[in-house]
Amino acid sequence: DTAVSQTPKYLVTQMGNDKSIKCEQNLGHDTMYWYKQDSKKFLKIMFSYNNKELIINETVPNRFSPKSPDKAHLNLHINSLELGDSAVYFCASSQVSGGADEQYFGPGTRLTVT
Amino acid sequence: TQLLEQSPQFLSIQEGENLTVYCNSSSVFSSLQWYRQEPGEGPVLLVTVVTGGEVKKLKRLTFQFGDARKDSSLHITAAQPGDTGLYLCAGLNSGGSNYKLTFGKGTLLTVNP
Repeated sequence: DTAVSQTPKYLVTQMGNDKSIKCEQNLGHDTMYWYKQDSKKFLKIMFSYNNKELIINETVPNRFSPKSPDKAHLNLHINSLELGDSAVYFCASSQVSGGADEQYFGPGTRLTVT
Repeated sequence: TQLLEQSPQFLSIQEGENLTVYCNSSSVFSSLQWYRQEPGEGPVLLVTVVTGGEVKKLKRLTFQFGDARKDSSLHITAAQPGDTGLYLCAGLNSGGSNYKLTFGKGTLLTVNP
């Protein structure tokens, strides 16, 4: 069974479109995250949710809106896509927030905006 | 803003060689993690170091946390092609109830057979 899954794996779309990426974890973790990895492999946190509540929002444009319908799911909706949004987006989860806990990453979604 | 500098950025070596990757910061971290990421996949945790001066070994990999908890190193002995990947260090911020990991920019290691 996949611990953290994301769909889609690849997403190619045009500027100005709106798209969503879905994430699900079956580990029973309380905390979920979205990260963005740019073309130079730099991985940076975007959002963190704990038990469906937003706890970290790292100065991400408000075109990005995360939604957590339950603690096993954290989806990412992006409005008015821009060229600079092209990157690999990773979802991750961990047991708790506030400790040196292992984060389990999904396989990533490669978003290409043309 | 807490920054982590990794060096080298790229490393290409022959099978059997030893190597060391460095992760440095001017900030103190409560703990530091090392991840390995393979192409097309997400990062996978290798180790977490918590105590200043701590040394952990994972088979041929040796991880050390600096005494001041500002830096760390990863040493690989007798590298193998299977060690190829992107190695990321990540520091856990030292305060607050909502922690986050700050990642370094990674070291891309290629071990040639």
